[in-house]
Amino acid sequence: ETGVTQTPRHLVMGMTNKKSLKCEQHLGHNAMYWYKQSAKKPLELMFVYSLEERVENNSVPSRFSPECPNSSHLFLHLHTLQPEDSALYLCASSQVWQPNQPQHFGDGTRLSIL
Amino acid sequence: AQSVAQPEDQVNVAEGNPLTVKCTYSVSGNPYLFWYVQYPNRGLQFLLKYITGDNLVKGSYGFEAEFNKSQTSFHLKKPSALVSDSALYFCAVRRTSTSGTYKYIFGTGTRLKVLA
Repeated sequence: ETGVTQTPRHLVMGMTNKKSLKCEQHLGHNAMYWYKQSAKKPLELMFVYSLEERVENNSVPSRFSPECPNSSHLFLHLHTLQPEDSALYLCASSQVWQPNQPQHFGDGTRLSIL
Repeated sequence: AQSVAQPEDQVNVAEGNPLTVKCTYSVSGNPYLFWYVQYPNRGLQFLLKYITGDNLVKGSYGFEAEFNKSQTSFHLKKPSALVSDSALYFCAVRRTSTSGTYKYIFGTGTRLKVLA
């Protein structure tokens, strides 16, 4: 049973749709991350939130818009996506200033853009 | 710049045989190294880490990893492979940011296939 829950697990959408991915962590962590996992490519860190403040945005296109309303929830709002955005989107959490603790990952949302 | 290399896309090993999944790294300063495993349709699961201390670290499911500073390697090992070990394995190096969060640099992953 993962301490990080992502919904939905699968999402198919057209390029003109708007949808949101949700992540919830039950571990009492206060940092959250979005990653993109594409086949044959390293995991790409997209966004980092620390204490509900965005602290990193790795040149992600504006069609991806993150939101962190509190330390337990993280959203990724999607609009006007491109076929190359099809991937597995992973959420992770950790505790700020706890260097010996690993990140905990959810099971991801498999996104397919038609 | 920090980086991680996993030179093998796939490793095949017979059940019961020892397995090694290779990882080399490039960092400035002391490395903080991690291994994660990903089973089909699942997220990444933490296996073990090296922060400091003993060069041989033990982790979950009987896995261990050997840190070798001179060769800048952190290979994952298991004395006797199980079919259930078949999965995608990621090596990662971590750097600290000023926000207290941790950016992981992941390798491209190595698919381990254990044959019955």
